[in-house]
Amino acid sequence: SAVISQKPSRDICQRGTSLTIQCQVDSQVTMMFWYRQQPGQSLTLIATANQGSEATYESGFVIDKFPISRPNLTFSTLTVSNMSPEDSSIYLCSVVGRVGNTIYFGEGSWLTVV
Amino acid sequence: LAKTTQPISMDSYEGQEVNITCSHNNIATNDYITWYQQFPSQGPRFIIQGYKTKVTNEVASLFIPADRKSSTLSLPRVSLSDTAVYYCLVGGLSGYALNFGKGTSLLVTP
Repeated sequence: SAVISQKPSRDICQRGTSLTIQCQVDSQVTMMFWYRQQPGQSLTLIATANQGSEATYESGFVIDKFPISRPNLTFSTLTVSNMSPEDSSIYLCSVVGRVGNTIYFGEGSWLTVV
Repeated sequence: LAKTTQPISMDSYEGQEVNITCSHNNIATNDYITWYQQFPSQGPRFIIQGYKTKVTNEVASLFIPADRKSSTLSLPRVSLSDTAVYYCLVGGLSGYALNFGKGTSLLVTP
């Protein structure tokens, strides 16, 4: 399995500000994804982070609000822009393992917007 | 992607076997079935994956009938630490299952 590290693990942010979450994987992976999990809810896919090209966003998510970078095969960032209290969620980075169809997740970044 | 349906919640006592069934009526030929466990404040953790029949590992078994329209995760002799949300995902060979359903919240009590 892949080891995925996310930073920050937790943060409290002011309304209107932006925060960038980092995701570092211990091995090269082809596919990386960003999910959001709002309190008490299931996971929702935000986008697929594509290495060397623009991310592919799911319906309801846009690049201006959630810009994503993927400079190489082991690292990605997700920025939550112009935050509002509705953005208070856990943001999770995930990758597809080298064997089989298994997705592995980081421990998540807890954001609280006040 | 195939839609999945699971019970919203289940209760069990310590030491019992727990079976959580997931329905996926429109599963495609190339789809795998994967189960995840999630504790509060943590990312989902891979439990088990299968394509057909039965798969067993050190923590669980996965039973898949011949028509593959459902699957059952079996947790033997659960403990309090198995209290978590369990997600069933269905996805194809091209990689991965991307969409999570609502999951089953399992509560294990003494």
